Amino acid sequence: KQEVTQIPAALSVPEGENLVLNCSFTDSAIYNLQWFRQDPGKGLTSLLLIQSSQREQTSGRLNASLDKSSGRSTLYIAASQPGDSATYLCAVSEYNFNKFYFGSGTKLNVKP
Amino acid sequence: KAGVTQTPRYLIKTRGQQVTLSCSPISGHRSVSWYQQTPGQGLQFLFEYFSETQRNKGNFPGRFSGRQFSNSRSEMNVSTLELGDSALYLCASSPQPTGQSNQPQHFGDGTRLSIL
Repeated sequence: KQEVTQIPAALSVPEGENLVLNCSFTDSAIYNLQWFRQDPGKGLTSLLLIQSSQREQTSGRLNASLDKSSGRSTLYIAASQPGDSATYLCAVSEYNFNKFYFGSGTKLNVKP
Repeated sequence: KAGVTQTPRYLIKTRGQQVTLSCSPISGHRSVSWYQQTPGQGLQFLFEYFSETQRNKGNFPGRFSGRQFSNSRSEMNVSTLELGDSALYLCASSPQPTGQSNQPQHFGDGTRLSIL
C-alpha cells in the first residue's frame, strides 16, 4: 500500500532564504507526482506536476525534482517571500488506479 | 474559465441528519474526485467518478455515497451524520481519471461541514 511522508511537518524561515521541502513515497511504481499549496480555509492549488518519466519541473521560483527509484521528491523554493506562507502537500498517483495518495503536508511560515 | 465550484461553503448539521454536497467541475472536465480533510487524518480519498461511473471508492462506511450527472456535476451524500464527520470536504476535477492523465488536478475551496 502506497504511503506518502512529508518532513518536516512545519518550517519557519526568514524572508529571502532558499528552502527545500521533502516528500517520500513507499512504492516507486508511480504515474505522476504533484505538489500543491493550501492556504488556510481554502482548497488546494496545483504548483507542479512531474510525470514518472521526468526528473524535474520548474515554475518561476519553484523547482520540483523526482527520484523514482529512491521514492523521493523535493520542492525547492528560491528567495522565499511572506506570501509563500502556506501548507505544501505532495501527492502521488499510480497507473490506472483512480486516486491520489497525499502526504500530511509541510506548514511553511516565511517571516518578514 | 471558471474553476471548480463547491456548494455550500459552510454547513452546520446535528447528529443523525443527512447532508448533500455539490461539486461543479471545470467545463470539459469529466473526472471528479472527493476527499475528506481533517486535522488528525489529513486528506482521505472518498471516491472518484468519470462519465457518471464510480471508478474507485475509499475506505469509508456506506453512509458516504456519491453520484455524477451527465453534465459531470457531482454530489456526495452523508447519511446519519456523526460528530466525526466534521471536516472540510474537497472535490477536484480533471479531464481524465487519476492515474490516466498527466493533467493537474484542480480543487474547489471545499465545504466546511460541522456536526453539533
